[in-house]
Amino acid sequence: GQNIDQPTEMTATEGAIVQINCTYQTSGFNGLFWYQQHAGEAPTFLSYNVLDGLEEKGRFSSFLSRSKGYSYLLLKELQMKDSASYLCAAMDSNYQLIWGAGTKLIIKP
Amino acid sequence: IAGITQAPTSQILAAGRRMTLRCTQDMRHNAMYWYRQDLGLGLRLIHYSNTAGTTGKGEVPDGYSVSRANTDDFPLTLASAVPSQTSVYFCASSDSILGQENTGELFFGEGSRLTVL
Repeated sequence: GQNIDQPTEMTATEGAIVQINCTYQTSGFNGLFWYQQHAGEAPTFLSYNVLDGLEEKGRFSSFLSRSKGYSYLLLKELQMKDSASYLCAAMDSNYQLIWGAGTKLIIKP
Repeated sequence: IAGITQAPTSQILAAGRRMTLRCTQDMRHNAMYWYRQDLGLGLRLIHYSNTAGTTGKGEVPDGYSVSRANTDDFPLTLASAVPSQTSVYFCASSDSILGQENTGELFFGEGSRLTVL
């Protein structure tokens, strides 16, 4: 079956760095997405990886290893506003998105 | 501001009643989607539409129907609501079919919280 695994919750300190991991098993693969979702709000797009390697976008970076079925989202210089859930989603061979349950990130001062 | 508008924002509904969740986008996106989000589960696709006049079933279509009469509107109907349909419903759109021509970025509405008693 198809599956996405990511930690349920993580805690980090303001100003620090945190890495949120995601492993996936899909029938075929057409890319890996990360979305941010603040409590009570809509998810918003953060990144898309289809090739192996690291994509950097400001304080956020996303990494993909297709051979390992693994991705991570790296958040640097954490700010209180980064407290949110981070959703990992993989696109399968039919271009359907398979979503993880999300990682709730709690930032402490 | 361009985007996706969902209505109602929240609704409490008696079991057995019919309910339509409305979704309108003004970005002229071809593809639209309905997801439900439940605690501890990932977003699950209910129905989708790749272009006006066409619809398709997602992962959890039972008990739901959709229509796509034009580009902008994509209503979701619960013919006879049941308590297991209590959820937060998100409408989303993308400027083309996922995986074709673009990165597949989805734009989401603010969600409709539905409680079925």
